Amino acid sequence: ELKVEQNPLFLSMQEGKNYTIYCNYSTTSDRLYWYRQDPGKSLESLFVLLSNGAVKQEGRLMASLDTKARLSTLHITAAVHDLSATYFCAVDNRNSGYALNFGKGTSLLVTP
Amino acid sequence: NAGVMQNPRHLVRRRGQEARLRCSPMKGHSHVYWYRQLPEEGLKFMVYLQKENIIDESGMPKERFSAEFPKEGPSILRIQQVVRGDSAAYFCASSQSGNEAFFGQGTRLTVV
Repeated sequence: ELKVEQNPLFLSMQEGKNYTIYCNYSTTSDRLYWYRQDPGKSLESLFVLLSNGAVKQEGRLMASLDTKARLSTLHITAAVHDLSATYFCAVDNRNSGYALNFGKGTSLLVTP
Repeated sequence: NAGVMQNPRHLVRRRGQEARLRCSPMKGHSHVYWYRQLPEEGLKFMVYLQKENIIDESGMPKERFSAEFPKEGPSILRIQQVVRGDSAAYFCASSQSGNEAFFGQGTRLTVV
C-alpha cells in the first residue's frame, strides 16, 4: 500500500519567516502533487512534479522532488497571511490507474 | 470549457435516507475518481470509473456505497441508508487517460 506522510501536520508561523513542509512516500510513484485547500473549499493545484530533481516555484512557494529519497518539500519564503490554508501532497501511480494517495495535510497559520 | 461540476454542493439527509451525489467531468474526460474527506483529514480514494466500467473500487466501503458512470450523463455516487459517520465532503476528479486530474467543488454531506 502506498503511504504518504506529511510533516508537520500543524504549523504556526510569523509573517516574514521561512519554513519547509515535508512529504515522504513509501513506494515508487509517477507524479507528486501539491494542493492548497481553504476551509470549506475544493483543492487548488499548486505544483505537479514529475522527475527527480524537479523544482518549481510560484510566488513565495517552491516545491522540489527527490525520487531516490521519496521526498518532496514545499518551501515557504517570507510568509504572508494569505498563505494560511491547508496544504496537501499526493502521489499517483499508473498501476493504480493514477488514483491519488494523499497525505493528511499541513494546516498552516501565518500570524502577524 | 467548464470545469468538473458537482451537485449538489450541500446535501442534508436524515439517518436511513439515501444520498445521491453527481459529478459531470470536464469535456473530453472519460476517467472519474471519487474521494472522501472526513473532517480535519486528508482525502481518501474511493473509486475509479471509466465510462460504463468500474476500474477500481478498493476504497469503497463494502456496504451501502455504490458508484456508476453511465454512457450518458454524470457519474453518480450513491449512499444508501446513510449514517452519521457518512458526513463528509465528497470530491470528484476527472482526467483524460493518464493525465492530471482536476477536482470539482465537492459535495458536503451532512447526516442528521
